[in-house]
Amino acid sequence: AQSVTQLGSHVSVSEGALVLLRCNYSSSVPPYLFWYVQYPNQGLQLLLKYTSAATLVKGINGFEAEFKKSETSFHLTKPSAHMSDAAEYFCAVSAVSGGYQKVTFGIGTKLQVIP
Amino acid sequence: EPEVTQTPSHQVTQMGQEVILRCVPISNHLYFYWYRQILGQKVEFLVSFYNNEISEKSEIFDDQFSVERPDGSNFTLKIRSTKLEDSAMYFCASTGDSYEQYFGPGTRLTVT
Repeated sequence: AQSVTQLGSHVSVSEGALVLLRCNYSSSVPPYLFWYVQYPNQGLQLLLKYTSAATLVKGINGFEAEFKKSETSFHLTKPSAHMSDAAEYFCAVSAVSGGYQKVTFGIGTKLQVIP
Repeated sequence: EPEVTQTPSHQVTQMGQEVILRCVPISNHLYFYWYRQILGQKVEFLVSFYNNEISEKSEIFDDQFSVERPDGSNFTLKIRSTKLEDSAMYFCASTGDSYEQYFGPGTRLTVT
């Protein structure tokens, strides 16, 4: 069984400030972890993924996330927020079994960027 | 870059009608999935499909739902008799060997 907890359904930051979106996961097997971004009325875009290689993962648009097994966390960060970062962010976990995987999503965090 | 496509982008239907949502997965992928996102809620797994049969389905995926791969390229989700609560965004996804699920842009289903 696997699950994801995203702390904070809404996060507000000032433009230029650090973005930190929290994600904790639970998985009975070594997980694959993802962050997706969803802009209003659009689909899911993959920001970055962790698949058991480097624990610090860099993604698109200046985002990165660090896998911390001891804390079962995969928090998303960006040093300096832009207005264009305003969107909803979903953390997700999957466990691959024989090539098949089911992705379990967190509830999402809406990021507001204040000018 | 290859991508998953979905049609239509928006479907409006009356309660009790049948709808078919269509997806074209990435051509060399073997695993296919449907997810649902009710407005304002999280994305939920519906069903996975491999080798022309369902691998796993959630409790949401009841007898009103069915999936099919009618030919070598399409993957469809059918809702036999739609209910108001079926209104949601439906995402198709496919997986190759990179353990990344590629999601389509979604079909917004509105049941009136």
